[in-house]
Amino acid sequence: QITLKESGPTLVKPTQTLTLTCTFSGFSLSTSGVGVGWIRQPPGKALEWLALIYWDDDKRYSPSLKSRLTITKDTSKNQVVLTMTNMDPVDTATYYCARNGRDSSGYYDYWGQGTLVTVSS
Amino acid sequence: DIQMTQSPSTLSASVGDRVTITCRASQSISSWLAWYQQKPGKAPKLLIYKASSLESGVPSRFSGSGSGTEFTLTISSLQPDDFATYYCQQYNSYPVDFGQGTKLEIK
Repeated sequence: QITLKESGPTLVKPTQTLTLTCTFSGFSLSTSGVGVGWIRQPPGKALEWLALIYWDDDKRYSPSLKSRLTITKDTSKNQVVLTMTNMDPVDTATYYCARNGRDSSGYYDYWGQGTLVTVSS
Repeated sequence: DIQMTQSPSTLSASVGDRVTITCRASQSISSWLAWYQQKPGKAPKLLIYKASSLESGVPSRFSGSGSGTEFTLTISSLQPDDFATYYCQQYNSYPVDFGQGTKLEIK
């Protein structure tokens, strides 16, 4: 059974750095073709793709947020960590982690439940 | 970057209706398109990948078609559980992009 779960702060202040952890089970990030990505969704709005890390440590970022994002993995712990610097109220959203589809495909077949992050002073 | 545009934004329909949602890409994405269903407070659920491949466990009333720049998601006979928001996503190239969503409402 494949599961993913996001964890991290629910409230951050403007200008602070957000660190989110995705802990997963049922698959390994050392298996060829596997990747874990982050997607966010502001309240009442559409999904926005943020970043992805592959089994071979290849990383992809949203160009509009690239300067603020870092994605890393800890294969031994089955975790992927996303950091976002200089948080702003417009970054208030539910943040999801998800596993990419088979054969390194860029769609997402398993998703975490999401974690709501509010940015406010 | 490739942009995805869905239409309509909102769709009102009744149980038993056949409905179609359209997704257009700003440039050709071959068949590298996925469709998701999302219910309030829940994570998106994968329905279709590679434009027309049905994800395991998804009812056969859902189908996808298209290639290049124009794609459709069709629900052949709406069930009460199908009222939700639907998103398309291109994965032809990075950055991947989601459409703005289509909310399917009960008429």
